[in-house]
Amino acid sequence: DIQMTQSPSTLSASVGDRVTITCRASQNINNWLAWYQQKPGKAPKLLIYMASSLESGVPSTFSGSGFGTEFTLIISSLQPDDSATYYCQQYNSYSLTFGGGTKVEIK
Amino acid sequence: QVQLVQSGAEVKKPGASVRVSCKTSGYSFTKYAMHWVRQAPGQRLEWMAWINPGDGDAKYSQNFQGRVTLTWDTSASTAYMELSSLTSEDTAVYYCARVPRIAEKNYYYMDVWGEGTTVTVSS
Repeated sequence: DIQMTQSPSTLSASVGDRVTITCRASQNINNWLAWYQQKPGKAPKLLIYMASSLESGVPSTFSGSGFGTEFTLIISSLQPDDSATYYCQQYNSYSLTFGGGTKVEIK
Repeated sequence: QVQLVQSGAEVKKPGASVRVSCKTSGYSFTKYAMHWVRQAPGQRLEWMAWINPGDGDAKYSQNFQGRVTLTWDTSASTAYMELSSLTSEDTAVYYCARVPRIAEKNYYYMDVWGEGTTVTVSS
């Protein structure tokens, strides 16, 4: 299976800050990567697909980039509602795998 | 709008089986495949399998091969996931999630999720 490693595992930032989350794949996944936001007790919500395509209805403060093995999710201006855990997921191989998550806290 | 509504929480004994349902609305059920994903307490999301109600095609994670059965009822627009030989390690929230289609092609991320079904395995 392709291993997905996220960093950091937690981060604390202030409202208005630019936040960057990294996701690394153990092998080339081209641009077959999605990002999700999950709040406590809720289902994940799709943010980004194909590494950089913004899902309809998702604020433009979210963006994704990367190709191959290294990817980033950027929140350009952190808002209180962005407090959540973020997961990456590769869909390059039939055995789909998720990263370990990055918990974003508001200072 | 597209909605996936799952069945309620379950408590099972070790060795038993559990079946979770996922009732869909707002789209053509047979045109989209469905994932099943679980999340144990405090753990990352874990993909289990997907099924395509349109043609019966399915793929299973090796971690669950032989223990998970995916079925569907087209008339009820509902997908089902049955997991057998339960152990305490199967205690988790189980989600159904739709496989999106773009230009008639499946892309195996998850665009719409059910609310989750909590399955607790305890003696």
